[in-house]
Amino acid sequence: KAGVTQTPRYLIKTRGQQVTLSCSPISGHRSVSWYQQTPGQGLQFLFEYFSETQRNKGNFPGRFSGRQFSNSRSEMNVSTLELGDSALYLCASSPRLAGEYNEQFFGPGTRLTVL
Amino acid sequence: AQSVTQLGSHVSVSEGALVLLRCNYSSSVPPYLFWYVQYPNQGLQLLLKYTSAATLVKGINGFEAEFKKSETSFHLTKPSAHMSDAAEYFCAVSNQGGKLIFGQGTELSVKP
Repeated sequence: KAGVTQTPRYLIKTRGQQVTLSCSPISGHRSVSWYQQTPGQGLQFLFEYFSETQRNKGNFPGRFSGRQFSNSRSEMNVSTLELGDSALYLCASSPRLAGEYNEQFFGPGTRLTVL
Repeated sequence: AQSVTQLGSHVSVSEGALVLLRCNYSSSVPPYLFWYVQYPNQGLQLLLKYTSAATLVKGINGFEAEFKKSETSFHLTKPSAHMSDAAEYFCAVSNQGGKLIFGQGTELSVKP
């Protein structure tokens, strides 16, 4: 099975712009979670989508949003970029089967640099 | 609320020496606990997980961790370090939802 894929791998934007990142989960996985990784704040949970619905949300401003499509692929969008948004954005997928813990599998990440 | 504390942001060991990376958690409900490894410019790879079965959990690459409820700890160990173990290691806690709460990470260096 192919792993979690994220596109693009690297992105450079300027302040005030917006950006869209894409994540394709492992085939058959219905849950996609997004995380932000920075040297100062570490790994922080952004949100989780399951069956096209946001199920969990972290403490990030409304500039950060996401969505999930019927094929479970997910996108996250950041509007009005700030310098502090420079980070590695990681996507993780899991089967989200009821009644058991579901391991999350991570993609390689998208490195966003805001100038 | 759940949280994770990793003691030591940098750990250095000699090749062949014991690796011990410390993790303490806080959780009001029985937790699921994880150790992930991250190599430079890569995503996270699961080393092992505790999901309320055996308290001693064996993972990949010779790593293991022991869940100690009385100490709220889940320390990661490996009897003999290898150069290829040099990476950043993250302890994480979760409930049943799709949200992992990570510690700040411990960078492991292995000296020849």
